[in-house]
Amino acid sequence: DTGVSQNPRHKITKRGQNVTFRCDPISEHNRLYWYRQTLGQGPEFLTYFQNEAQLEKSRLLSDRFSAERPKGSFSTLEIQRTEQGDSAMYLCASSFAGDTEAFFGQGTRLTVV
Amino acid sequence: KNEVEQSPQNLTAQEGEFITINCSYSVGISALHWLQQHPGGGIVSLFMLSSGKKKHGRLIATINIQEKHSSLHITASHPRDSAVYICAGRRWGSQGNLIFGKGTKLSVKP
Repeated sequence: DTGVSQNPRHKITKRGQNVTFRCDPISEHNRLYWYRQTLGQGPEFLTYFQNEAQLEKSRLLSDRFSAERPKGSFSTLEIQRTEQGDSAMYLCASSFAGDTEAFFGQGTRLTVV
Repeated sequence: KNEVEQSPQNLTAQEGEFITINCSYSVGISALHWLQQHPGGGIVSLFMLSSGKKKHGRLIATINIQEKHSSLHITASHPRDSAVYICAGRRWGSQGNLIFGKGTKLSVKP
Protein backbone atom coordinates (compact mmCIF):
# COMPACT_ATOMS: atom_id res chain seq x y z
CA ASP A 1 0.00 0.00 0.00
CA THR A 2 1.50 3.32 -1.04
CA GLY A 3 -0.53 5.50 1.27
CA VAL A 4 -3.30 7.94 0.45
CA SER A 5 -3.37 8.81 -3.24
CA GLN A 6 -5.05 11.85 -4.77
CA ASN A 7 -5.64 12.62 -8.42
CA PRO A 8 -5.06 14.84 -10.16
CA ARG A 9 -2.25 16.65 -8.34
CA HIS A 10 -3.02 19.89 -10.14
CA LYS A 11 -6.10 21.15 -11.93
CA ILE A 12 -6.59 24.43 -13.75
CA THR A 13 -10.13 25.14 -14.82
CA LYS A 14 -12.17 28.01 -16.14
CA ARG A 15 -14.75 29.63 -13.95
CA GLY A 16 -18.10 27.92 -14.33
CA GLN A 17 -16.72 24.50 -15.21
CA ASN A 18 -17.25 21.40 -13.11
CA VAL A 19 -14.29 19.53 -11.64
CA THR A 20 -13.97 16.17 -9.91
CA PHE A 21 -11.15 14.97 -7.68
CA ARG A 22 -10.45 11.44 -6.59
CA CYS A 23 -8.98 10.09 -3.36
CA ASP A 24 -7.85 6.51 -2.80
CA PRO A 25 -7.36 5.93 0.93
CA ILE A 26 -5.18 3.37 2.64
CA SER A 27 -7.08 0.18 1.91
CA GLU A 28 -7.77 -0.94 5.49
CA HIS A 29 -9.01 2.48 6.60
CA ASN A 30 -12.75 2.86 6.99
CA ARG A 31 -12.70 6.63 7.52
CA LEU A 32 -12.01 9.17 4.80
CA TYR A 33 -11.84 12.94 5.22
CA TRP A 34 -11.79 15.91 2.86
CA TYR A 35 -10.20 19.23 3.82
CA ARG A 36 -9.57 22.47 1.97
CA GLN A 37 -6.55 24.71 2.43
CA THR A 38 -6.20 28.20 1.04
CA LEU A 39 -2.88 29.96 0.74
CA GLY A 40 -1.30 30.85 4.07
CA GLN A 41 -4.04 29.21 6.09
CA GLY A 42 -4.44 25.93 7.90
CA PRO A 43 -6.69 23.28 6.38
CA GLU A 44 -10.44 23.43 7.00
CA PHE A 45 -12.70 20.45 7.43
CA LEU A 46 -15.18 19.78 4.61
CA THR A 47 -16.67 16.33 5.17
CA TYR A 48 -15.92 12.79 6.27
CA PHE A 49 -17.11 9.28 5.57
CA GLN A 50 -17.18 6.13 7.59
CA ASN A 51 -17.27 3.37 5.01
CA GLU A 52 -19.80 4.61 2.42
CA ALA A 53 -21.79 6.78 4.83
CA GLN A 54 -21.18 10.52 4.82
CA LEU A 55 -21.38 11.25 8.54
CA GLU A 56 -20.56 14.92 8.77
CA LYS A 57 -20.49 17.94 6.46
CA SER A 58 -19.11 21.37 7.15
CA ARG A 59 -21.12 24.51 6.42
CA LEU A 60 -18.23 25.31 4.05
CA LEU A 61 -19.59 22.59 1.78
CA SER A 62 -22.02 24.62 -0.30
CA ASP A 63 -24.62 23.16 -2.64
CA ARG A 64 -22.05 23.25 -5.44
CA PHE A 65 -19.91 20.69 -3.61
CA SER A 66 -20.72 17.01 -3.42
CA ALA A 67 -18.69 14.12 -2.14
CA GLU A 68 -19.29 10.42 -2.53
CA ARG A 69 -17.73 7.20 -1.40
CA PRO A 70 -19.98 4.69 -3.14
CA LYS A 71 -18.31 1.43 -2.19
CA GLY A 72 -16.57 2.54 0.96
CA SER A 73 -13.20 2.62 -0.78
CA PHE A 74 -12.23 5.56 -3.00
CA SER A 75 -14.01 8.89 -2.77
CA THR A 76 -14.74 11.68 -5.22
CA LEU A 77 -15.24 15.36 -4.53
CA GLU A 78 -17.08 17.29 -7.23
CA ILE A 79 -17.34 21.05 -7.48
CA GLN A 80 -19.97 22.37 -9.87
CA ARG A 81 -19.89 25.80 -11.48
CA THR A 82 -16.46 26.60 -10.07
CA GLU A 83 -15.73 30.09 -8.76
CA GLN A 84 -12.39 31.80 -8.25
CA GLY A 85 -12.86 31.46 -4.51
CA ASP A 86 -12.75 27.69 -4.91
CA SER A 87 -9.04 27.93 -5.75
CA ALA A 88 -7.30 25.99 -2.99
CA MET A 89 -5.52 22.79 -2.11
CA TYR A 90 -7.98 19.96 -1.52
CA LEU A 91 -6.61 17.41 0.91
CA CYS A 92 -7.83 13.90 1.57
CA ALA A 93 -6.94 11.82 4.62
CA SER A 94 -7.89 8.39 5.90
CA SER A 95 -7.79 6.58 9.21
CA PHE A 96 -9.23 3.77 11.23
CA ALA A 97 -12.30 4.60 13.29
CA GLY A 98 -11.80 6.25 16.66
CA ASP A 99 -9.15 8.66 17.85
CA THR A 100 -6.47 7.32 15.59
CA GLU A 101 -3.79 8.87 13.47
CA ALA A 102 -4.89 10.25 10.10
CA PHE A 103 -2.76 9.82 6.99
CA PHE A 104 -2.89 12.55 4.39
CA GLY A 105 -2.56 12.51 0.64
CA GLN A 106 -0.45 14.96 -1.36
CA GLY A 107 -3.48 17.06 -2.19
CA THR A 108 -5.04 18.36 -5.38
CA ARG A 109 -4.26 21.99 -6.11
CA LEU A 110 -7.17 23.66 -7.90
CA THR A 111 -6.77 26.94 -9.74
CA VAL A 112 -9.90 28.56 -11.14
CA VAL A 113 -9.16 31.18 -13.80
CA LYS B 1 -10.23 34.53 17.54
CA ASN B 2 -9.34 31.15 16.07
CA GLU B 3 -10.22 28.09 18.08
CA VAL B 4 -6.66 26.80 17.62
CA GLU B 5 -3.86 29.33 17.83
CA GLN B 6 -0.21 28.68 17.07
CA SER B 7 2.87 30.70 17.88
CA PRO B 8 5.10 31.85 16.48
CA GLN B 9 3.76 32.25 12.96
CA ASN B 10 7.27 32.24 11.52
CA LEU B 11 10.47 30.94 13.06
CA THR B 12 14.03 31.07 11.81
CA ALA B 13 16.69 29.06 13.60
CA GLN B 14 20.31 28.10 13.18
CA GLU B 15 21.16 24.46 12.67
CA GLY B 16 21.53 22.73 16.01
CA GLU B 17 19.19 25.00 17.94
CA PHE B 18 16.39 23.72 20.18
CA ILE B 19 13.02 24.77 18.76
CA THR B 20 9.63 25.11 20.44
CA ILE B 21 6.33 25.68 18.67
CA ASN B 22 3.27 26.38 20.78
CA CYS B 23 -0.39 25.56 20.27
CA SER B 24 -3.32 26.77 22.38
CA TYR B 25 -6.92 25.80 21.87
CA SER B 26 -10.19 27.16 23.22
CA VAL B 27 -12.56 24.29 22.43
CA GLY B 28 -12.97 20.84 23.91
CA ILE B 29 -10.91 18.31 22.05
CA SER B 30 -10.44 14.58 22.37
CA ALA B 31 -7.01 14.48 20.74
CA LEU B 32 -4.43 16.83 19.33
CA HIS B 33 -2.38 16.22 16.21
CA TRP B 34 0.92 17.69 15.15
CA LEU B 35 1.43 17.67 11.40
CA GLN B 36 4.30 18.63 9.11
CA GLN B 37 3.65 20.16 5.70
CA HIS B 38 6.36 20.57 3.09
CA PRO B 39 6.23 22.88 0.07
CA GLY B 40 3.96 21.28 -2.51
CA GLY B 41 1.32 20.50 0.08
CA GLY B 42 1.90 16.98 1.35
CA ILE B 43 1.10 16.57 5.04
CA VAL B 44 2.77 14.05 7.32
CA SER B 45 1.34 13.18 10.70
CA LEU B 46 3.97 13.53 13.43
CA PHE B 47 2.05 12.89 16.62
CA MET B 48 -1.41 12.31 17.94
CA LEU B 49 -1.75 12.76 21.69
CA SER B 50 -4.48 13.19 24.25
CA SER B 51 -2.31 13.46 27.37
CA GLY B 52 1.26 13.68 28.55
CA LYS B 53 4.19 13.49 26.23
CA LYS B 54 5.38 11.60 23.17
CA LYS B 55 8.84 11.37 21.65
CA HIS B 56 9.96 10.27 18.23
CA GLY B 57 13.59 10.75 17.35
CA ARG B 58 14.42 14.44 17.75
CA LEU B 59 10.78 15.43 18.06
CA ILE B 60 8.90 15.74 21.34
CA ALA B 61 5.25 16.69 21.76
CA THR B 62 3.58 17.56 25.04
CA ILE B 63 0.04 18.45 25.97
CA ASN B 64 -1.48 20.01 29.09
CA ILE B 65 -5.18 19.29 29.05
CA GLN B 66 -6.01 21.64 31.96
CA GLU B 67 -4.25 24.57 30.32
CA LYS B 68 -5.40 23.62 26.80
CA HIS B 69 -1.89 23.93 25.52
CA SER B 70 0.49 21.77 23.54
CA SER B 71 4.08 22.20 22.45
CA LEU B 72 6.22 20.64 19.76
CA HIS B 73 9.94 20.60 20.41
CA ILE B 74 12.71 19.83 17.94
CA THR B 75 16.12 19.09 19.38
CA ALA B 76 19.33 19.57 17.39
CA SER B 77 17.42 21.18 14.51
CA HIS B 78 18.54 20.53 10.94
CA PRO B 79 17.80 22.30 7.64
CA ARG B 80 15.69 19.32 6.58
CA ASP B 81 13.32 20.18 9.45
CA SER B 82 12.32 23.31 7.50
CA ALA B 83 8.59 23.01 6.89
CA VAL B 84 5.25 24.29 8.13
CA TYR B 85 4.16 22.68 11.40
CA ILE B 86 0.44 22.55 12.05
CA CYS B 87 -1.45 21.58 15.17
CA ALA B 88 -5.00 20.33 14.89
CA GLY B 89 -7.53 19.39 17.53
CA ARG B 90 -10.19 16.75 17.09
CA ARG B 91 -13.38 18.39 18.34
CA TRP B 92 -15.22 16.49 21.09
CA GLY B 93 -18.14 14.55 19.67
CA SER B 94 -16.90 14.79 16.10
CA GLN B 95 -14.72 12.06 14.76
CA GLY B 96 -13.99 13.85 11.53
CA ASN B 97 -13.81 17.47 12.37
CA LEU B 98 -10.21 18.49 12.91
CA ILE B 99 -9.74 22.16 13.77
CA PHE B 100 -6.43 23.34 12.42
CA GLY B 101 -4.11 26.11 13.46
CA LYS B 102 -2.68 28.34 10.74
CA GLY B 103 0.71 26.71 11.00
CA THR B 104 4.20 27.76 12.00
CA LYS B 105 6.66 28.18 9.17
CA LEU B 106 10.06 26.97 10.34
CA SER B 107 13.25 27.71 8.50
CA VAL B 108 16.49 26.18 9.78
CA LYS B 109 19.64 27.76 8.38
CA PRO B 110 22.86 25.77 8.00
